[in-house]
Amino acid sequence: RKEVEQDPGPFNVPEGATVAFNCTYSNSASQSFFWYRQDCRKEPKLLMSVYSSGNEDGRFTAQLNRASQYISLLIRDSKLSDSATYLCVTSGGYNKLIFGAGTRLAVHP
Amino acid sequence: DAGVIQSPRHEVTEMGQEVTLRCKPISGHDYLFWYRQTMMRGLELLIYFNNNVPIDDSGMPEDRFSAKMPNASFSTLKIQPSEPRDSAVYFCASSPDRLNEKLFFGSGTQLSVL
Repeated sequence: RKEVEQDPGPFNVPEGATVAFNCTYSNSASQSFFWYRQDCRKEPKLLMSVYSSGNEDGRFTAQLNRASQYISLLIRDSKLSDSATYLCVTSGGYNKLIFGAGTRLAVHP
Repeated sequence: DAGVIQSPRHEVTEMGQEVTLRCKPISGHDYLFWYRQTMMRGLELLIYFNNNVPIDDSGMPEDRFSAKMPNASFSTLKIQPSEPRDSAVYFCASSPDRLNEKLFFGSGTQLSVL
């Protein structure tokens, strides 16, 4: 079983739609959680950290459920520019980050 | 700030040749990471350094791969001999002294081994 699992998608949504991604992780000792965004042929970039109480950054909301070991990302009012691959990231052992394979989002007009 | 700088951006080589990838982390960042990304396996951590010392190299595929960090501003990832299955995008990333700070990635090296 992979340490971090994501639905690869693609999620095809129209502009203005709300879309949600989930991610499950296997290491119950994980302490840090993040969502990264990766555009085609580019490097990953941090989108937001995920806190236990849930957190919001503009149109983006991230939540953590430790009991079920999953993380979610909600995007409201999708824009064309949101089209990208979203990578779920957790901390593994020895202070290293483990990346999921990513969920691809395509927002169309 | 120039960010993490990797070279070359693209490398095409023939099977059996030695390949050296280079990385300059952001000044002041104590952690440096080498990742490999493929369609099949996603983003995999190969090795990481803390203050120039290798901490975890459990992700290095085999003895053909080696990485060094001779000083705080430079690291190399070497593949010798290279094989077609090594074809991937290799990313270098650095972060400040606490891991829960964000990773800053370089633009990557697209490696093709023919």
